[in-house]
Amino acid sequence: NAGVTQTPKFQVLKTGQSMTLQCAQDMNHEYMSWYRQDPGMGLRLIHYSVGAGITDQGEVPNGYNVSRSTTEDFPLRLLSAAPSQTSVYFCASSYPQNNEQFFGPGTRLTVL
Amino acid sequence: GEDVEQSLFLSVREGDSSVINCTYTDSSSTYLYWYKQEPGAGLQLLTYIFSNMDMKQDQRLTVLLNKKDKHLSLRIADTQTGDSAIYFCAERAGRRALTFGSGTRLQVQP
Repeated sequence: NAGVTQTPKFQVLKTGQSMTLQCAQDMNHEYMSWYRQDPGMGLRLIHYSVGAGITDQGEVPNGYNVSRSTTEDFPLRLLSAAPSQTSVYFCASSYPQNNEQFFGPGTRLTVL
Repeated sequence: GEDVEQSLFLSVREGDSSVINCTYTDSSSTYLYWYKQEPGAGLQLLTYIFSNMDMKQDQRLTVLLNKKDKHLSLRIADTQTGDSAIYFCAERAGRRALTFGSGTRLQVQP
């Protein structure tokens, strides 16, 4: 099993550009989520999904869209990047009631 | 809303015990977690405790939970330089995603 994979590892965008951060898991986990990590603020939940076709907003959803067309994939889209979205983004997955969330290695995004 | 708080920094000498503290506000939390993050890496689950437990021990790690005071601690015995990292406390209630604290940076001095 590859676990949770994220691409790209690093990305630099200009303000106003769009892009998609990819996340995939091969563990047949129903639950997937996206977090952003900023210095001194821990991880904050952006969006999450409890299964294919179902998504919901987390704590900081503005400026981000998600979709969950398959169990395996949970892409995060930035429609018009802003400098405030400079952060490290982590994707995670688990079974709904499982005690462990598995985290991907992260994507470091810089918006100029 | 839910809130999880931790102190930002802890420095200990190699071989000493480390105690990292965490407080949370959601009384309906069912699971509480400790994650470790090494530089440039993702989060690694160290241990977790169910809310009806007071203590859990796993090798060098001891988790204490005071549910009345909503206080969680992680004790690392015989701290090693390889334990230097950021430690995150997190809580979960039901099917909600995790709520994380801001992390405690543990520095282990030789």
